[in-house]
This record gives sequence, structure tokens and C-alpha cells, in this order.
Amino acid sequence: AQSVTQLDSHVSVSEGTPVLLRCNYSSSYSPSLFWYVQHPNKGLQLLLKYTSAATLVKGINGFEAEFKKSETSFHLTKPSAHMSDAAEYFCVVSRTGANNLFFGTGTRLTVIP
Amino acid sequence: GAGVSQSPSNKVTEKGKDVELRCDPISGHTALYWYRQSLGQGLEFLIYFQGNSAPDKSGLPSDRFSAERTGGSVSTLTIQRTQQEDSAVYLCASSPGITVYYEQYFGPGTRLTVT
Repeated sequence: AQSVTQLDSHVSVSEGTPVLLRCNYSSSYSPSLFWYVQHPNKGLQLLLKYTSAATLVKGINGFEAEFKKSETSFHLTKPSAHMSDAAEYFCVVSRTGANNLFFGTGTRLTVIP
Repeated sequence: GAGVSQSPSNKVTEKGKDVELRCDPISGHTALYWYRQSLGQGLEFLIYFQGNSAPDKSGLPSDRFSAERTGGSVSTLTIQRTQQEDSAVYLCASSPGITVYYEQYFGPGTRLTVT
């Protein structure tokens, strides 16, 4: 079975400061891990994905995440928050080679001017 | 190019009525997925289609839910005898191929409200 736990339902940062959104996963199999972003009234968009290649994954808009097997974590980071980063972020897991995704409960990121 | 489209964008229905939700995937995408996003359950997988293969229905919550994909393109999700707990945003996604190695592209969703 696969599942993810997003440790914070809401994160608030000031513009220009670092962003850290935390995610821990559980998987009986070799996992694939993803971060999706959902802006208000818009569809989900893939930020980045890990599929058993490099453990440090770089995504769009300056985001990156590191797969740490020993900690079963896949935290999302960005060095400097921008106002446009305000959105809902979902950590997602799937069994590598499988077809469906299992979503976390989401973290709402607020960026303060 | 055109993305995944869904219709209607909003649907309000009375308890007990049947509803149909439509998804138009990106042209050429062979895989199509339905998900449900609700306050109580978060975002959950419902059903998956790949080409002419039998769909993976493992996420459908009850036998009131069914889906079809005609001609390998457009898909319809049908909910019979709707209940208030069916109120949610129903999301459709498509991808160029099977497995999660391919990015899933999501539509804007259909917001269903059952009164």
C-alpha cells in the first residue's frame, strides 16, 4: 500500500524567504513521488517527480525536492518565495510502474508581501 | 495546444438524481484518469482507462459510480441516485502513455453539489 503524509496543512512565509513543505511517504514497493500545485480555480500542475533516478529533483519555478529513503521523506523547497507561489501543494506517491496516484491532504502556502 | 477539458464546470443536482460528467482528454493521450477531490476525503483516485484495455475500477466508491470511454477519447463519469456525500470536485486527467513515468495533465474539474 502507498500513502503520503503532509505534515503541515498551512505554511505561511514572507516574500523572498525560503519555502519548506514537508512530506513523508509510506510504500511497500519502490515508490515514485511527485509534487503537484493547484492554484485557485485552476487545474493541478506537476511541479516535479522522482522515479528512482537522481535523488535531488529539480522542478519548475525554482522548486526542488530531495528523496531520502532513510527518512522516508520527500520535502519540497524553494530558496526564495514569490507572491505567485501562493497555492495548494500536494505530495503524491505511486508504485513505480503503476498507473494511479495517491495524494496527500495538501499544504496551503501563503506568501506575505 | 488544448488541454484537458471538462463539462459542466458546475453541476447542482437533487439527491436521488443521476448525473453525467464529461472529460475531453488531450488529443493523442492514451491514458485517462478520474479523481475526486472532497473536503472530507482529500483527492482520491476513482478509475483509469488505457487504450482498449479493461479499465481499472479499483477506486470507485460504490456501484452507483460508472465510467465509459468511447473510441479511446472522450470519457463520461456517471453517478446514479446521487447522495449528498457525492458532493465534490471531479477531476479528469490524461497522459501520453501508461504508468506514472508519463505526466498526468489535469482538467479544471467539475464541481458537483448534491442538495
